[in-house]
Amino acid sequence: EAQVTQNPRYLITVTGKKLTVTCSQNMNHEYMSWYRQDPGLGLRQIYYSMNVEVTDKGDVPEGYKVSRKEKRNFPLILESPSPNQTSLYFCASSLKQDIEQYFGPGTRLTVT
Amino acid sequence: DAKTTQPPSMDCAEGRAANLPCNHSTISGNEYVYWYRQIHSQGPQYIIHGLKNNETNEMASLIITEDRKSSTLILPHATLRDTAVYYCIALGGTSYGKLTFGQGTILTVHP
Repeated sequence: EAQVTQNPRYLITVTGKKLTVTCSQNMNHEYMSWYRQDPGLGLRQIYYSMNVEVTDKGDVPEGYKVSRKEKRNFPLILESPSPNQTSLYFCASSLKQDIEQYFGPGTRLTVT
Repeated sequence: DAKTTQPPSMDCAEGRAANLPCNHSTISGNEYVYWYRQIHSQGPQYIIHGLKNNETNEMASLIITEDRKSSTLILPHATLRDTAVYYCIALGGTSYGKLTFGQGTILTVHP
């Protein structure tokens, strides 16, 4: 089944403890992206990647890192999480930019 | 990307057609109209997109006016599972794939 998977789905952590949210797609998509969704603020793009080893900042990249060493994986790294990074995170992929994107199920992160 | 405007909420009876409008009066010639929906806090789901011709797929139909300033998403036979927030987005070649969801339309399908 074609899908985008994210792990973990739920995570509660403490300020400053490094964490990684994994994202993997099995559709051989070139484009991958991370978003966060907060009440009243809608969906905001954190980072995106056009292809392997090509990443760029979205609208809210501060406090996040990404890497794209393989086509299928696009992990989101929070080196020192803070409470303002408490949010619902979505990974998405598409064959190329600007066509339909497929979203993962989401990761609900709470930083205390 | 052009700004889009949608009504905040709509109701529809199960089995009837749901017609969701979207205004995008400043859309440029190379921007497509995309529709996504989000059921509760699940990942957004792509529905359909178009440039200027009407489009239909297994989920919905998209009607774009001739001047491209507005469009309508049609769910031909709405079911309870179609209750969701529906987002209309204008997306062009310079957006680098970035989806910016506004508030969308909350569609409630009633039995």
